[in-house]
Amino acid sequence: QVQLEQSGAEVRRPGASVKVSCKASGYTFTDYDIAWVRQAPGQGLEWMGWISPRSGDTTYAQSLQGRVTMTTDTSTSTAYMEVRSLTSDDTAVYYCAREDRYAGNGYYILYFDYWGQGTLVTVSS
Amino acid sequence: DIQLTQSPSSLSASVGDRVTISCRASQFISRYLNWYQHKPGKAPRLLIYAASSLQSGVPSRFSGSGSGTDFTLTISSLQPEDFASYYCQQSFGTRAWTFGQGTKVEIK
Repeated sequence: QVQLEQSGAEVRRPGASVKVSCKASGYTFTDYDIAWVRQAPGQGLEWMGWISPRSGDTTYAQSLQGRVTMTTDTSTSTAYMEVRSLTSDDTAVYYCAREDRYAGNGYYILYFDYWGQGTLVTVSS
Repeated sequence: DIQLTQSPSSLSASVGDRVTISCRASQFISRYLNWYQHKPGKAPRLLIYAASSLQSGVPSRFSGSGSGTDFTLTISSLQPEDFASYYCQQSFGTRAWTFGQGTKVEIK
């Protein structure tokens, strides 16, 4: 069965960096893209960006441009998401999600069908 | 970026009630709209993709409709396990996906 297993909770000081991992199993890692989504306390879901494990292509949310990097290691079927220059606003639960697609007549609709369990990142002095 | 506005932001309902949640997009998105259920401490769960397609394993009391800019998630008969937050999400055009702000369904 498809599983996305994320790394454990992290605590960081403001200005530091954090790197979260997401290990995939139960499917061919390079066949599906990986997205990252976060939820700050009391807030909704925020799409952070996307990476193609096959090509390494990425797109990041404008709000995070310059501070986030997404990578993959196809030898271990693991995706990584790093956020730098952390502030208290980055305190959140971070999720990885597999991106699947619905094939219409000449178009594709993308959606997140499997999710990791979430990683709590706390930024505090 | 495309903005998604959900209404209501929260609602109180009883077991067995019919519940509808709306999601309006700031521009035309055809049927590029998905719905998720999210419970505290759990990963979000895909319910509906492409506006109206039911994800495998999701109970048939959940349904989605709409296209263009206006979409609806309906729960035909609310069950105890359905008390959660619900989010719409768009995947139209180039990758700058967005979620609605969420609708919290609470017990009346």
